[in-house]
Amino acid sequence: DSGVTQTPKHLITATGQRVTLRCSPRSGDLSVYWYQQSLDQGLQFLIQYYNGEERAKGNILERFSAQQFPDLHSELNLSSLELGDSALYFCASSETGNSYEQYFGPGTRLTVT
Amino acid sequence: GDSVTQMEGPVTLSEEAFLTINCTYTATGYPSLFWYVQYPGEGLQLLLKATKADDKGSNKGFEATYRKETTSFHLEKGSVQVSDSAVYFCALSDMNSNSGYALNFGKGTSLLVTP
Repeated sequence: DSGVTQTPKHLITATGQRVTLRCSPRSGDLSVYWYQQSLDQGLQFLIQYYNGEERAKGNILERFSAQQFPDLHSELNLSSLELGDSALYFCASSETGNSYEQYFGPGTRLTVT
Repeated sequence: GDSVTQMEGPVTLSEEAFLTINCTYTATGYPSLFWYVQYPGEGLQLLLKATKADDKGSNKGFEATYRKETTSFHLEKGSVQVSDSAVYFCALSDMNSNSGYALNFGKGTSLLVTP
């Protein structure tokens, strides 16, 4: 158990809908990363937050957004969902914003029908 | 941009066989290198890391050496067990890239160890 929690574990929704994925980092970790794992694209970095502020951006679509709250949990919002957004979404946390060591949660499996 | 290339799987081995999974990378800066493992239905776990050239990362019998001259970080284990069956990801983190400390992953190599 990495100490990173993600909810929900599974999510099934229809095209065009909007969903929110939640992540709680390990106790004491200030930074949260979001990754998407799909069959075609593999594991891709989406976005990083550190202590409430956006730190780095990867291949995140404009339809997706994220935030980190004062209690350090993070939410990833996915809107206008398309079939191709079906994937496993992982959250990872690290102690600082400049740390190589990241601890991954179990993921949220999103299925868009 | 930075990238990681891993050997295609799946790799099937008998228990106690020797394992090598090849990984090469391209980076503009001086990255740190990692191997992560993903067991079925679980998230990724850091297996080992190396932060500079010639460093050897090791954990649970697995080893990998950071070779700057060949831009490689091959994963090895002398004697695999059935419990090693998982997907293995090579990754790099280059603080000089636009993604900061985010991990850039290879496509993963599935390993199946049979009794």
